[in-house]
Amino acid sequence: KAGVTQTPRYLIKTRGQQVTLSCSPISGHRSVSWYQQTPGQGLQFLFEYFSETQRNKGNFPGRFSGRQFSNSRSEMNVSTLELGDSALYLCASSPGVTGEETQYFGPGTRLLVL
Amino acid sequence: AQSVTQLGSHVSVSEGALVLLRCNYSSSVPPYLFWYVQYPNQGLQLLLKYTTGATLVKGINGFEAEFKKSETSFHLTKPSAHMSDAAEYFCAVSLNTGNQFYFGTGTSLTVIP
Repeated sequence: KAGVTQTPRYLIKTRGQQVTLSCSPISGHRSVSWYQQTPGQGLQFLFEYFSETQRNKGNFPGRFSGRQFSNSRSEMNVSTLELGDSALYLCASSPGVTGEETQYFGPGTRLLVL
Repeated sequence: AQSVTQLGSHVSVSEGALVLLRCNYSSSVPPYLFWYVQYPNQGLQLLLKYTTGATLVKGINGFEAEFKKSETSFHLTKPSAHMSDAAEYFCAVSLNTGNQFYFGTGTSLTVIP
């Protein structure tokens, strides 16, 4: 099976702009989770989508949003970018049925906000 | 609330020495426990996980971890470190409700030749 793919791999934006990141899960997986990774804060959970519905949400401002399509692909959007949004954004997929399932991670999108 | 504590943000070992990375968790219910490894500029890769059954879990690349409920710990070990083990290691817990992972802050492992 193909792994989790994320596009683009690298992005450079300026403050105030918005950005959309894409994640394609492993075939058959219905859950997609998004994480922000920074040196200072580590891995922080953004949100999880399952069958096109947001099922869990972390503690991030409303500038961070997401959606999931019927084919389970997911997008994450960040509006009005701030310098502090510079990070590695990781998505992970799993079947989404129970908590014991492994989450499979993509390679990440590295976002730099100038 | 769930939390994961990884003691030691940086660990250095000599090649061939024992690797011990510590993970403690707090959870109101028995969690599922995971160890992931991250190499530079890559995503996270599963090393091993504990769900139910045998408390000593063996994973890839010679790593293993033991779930100790009384100590709320899930420490990761490897008998003999290899240069290729140098990476960032993350402990995570998941509950049976929902699909949210709670990650520790990570431990950076350096292997000295």
